[in-house]
Amino acid sequence: AQTVTQSQPEMSVQEAETVTLSCTYDTSESDYYLFWYKQPPSRQMILVIRQEAYKQQNATENRFSVNFQKAAKSFSLKISDSQLGDAAMYFCAYRYYNTDKLIFGTGTRLQVFP
Amino acid sequence: DAGVTQSPTHLIKTRGQQVTLRCSPKSGHDTVSWYQQALGQGPQFIFQYYEEEERQRGNFPDRFSGHQFPNYSSELNVNALLLGDSALYLCASSMQRGGHLVEQFFGPGTRLTVL
Repeated sequence: AQTVTQSQPEMSVQEAETVTLSCTYDTSESDYYLFWYKQPPSRQMILVIRQEAYKQQNATENRFSVNFQKAAKSFSLKISDSQLGDAAMYFCAYRYYNTDKLIFGTGTRLQVFP
Repeated sequence: DAGVTQSPTHLIKTRGQQVTLRCSPKSGHDTVSWYQQALGQGPQFIFQYYEEEERQRGNFPDRFSGHQFPNYSSELNVNALLLGDSALYLCASSMQRGGHLVEQFFGPGTRLTVL
């Protein structure tokens, strides 16, 4: 069975600094997708960034980028120039190619200090 | 575009009761998935509905059932409520494109408290 592990329950960063959130996953499949979702106190889950496993190039969305290491089954999220609005729970998620079912990690709470 | 909407926002029930949660998908979306998020945990997949049928199911008991209507909206029903059913219930909608990556959009959730 596929699993997603986030080993950092909480992280903190100062405004304008860079922070990296860690995620590892376990799967025997070769075709899958990985995601980072943000869940602010409003509870709505918002997609931050996604990565297709067949792509070697790391995904980037503005201040958000990932370090995807397929062999190591690692998928970390880097947030550059952190902003107060980045404070939220961040969830790493896995999805097998042929299904819509998302498997989430337990989340990392990110605090941003001014 | 209203996005994914869910009702009610909050709900309080007692053990043994039954509850129905509702979800309206994003405009143009035909698939609805339901997730349960216990406090301090990541969401867990309950099931998915497409073309008014349950297409995929997670590891949840039969007390959890659902329905999808012709307008693609969906209901999640939970019977014989247990204290452990207290959670945030999230609905996500997407559009089928033959297995290609399709983003799921989440609603704001329904907070269910079972006393």
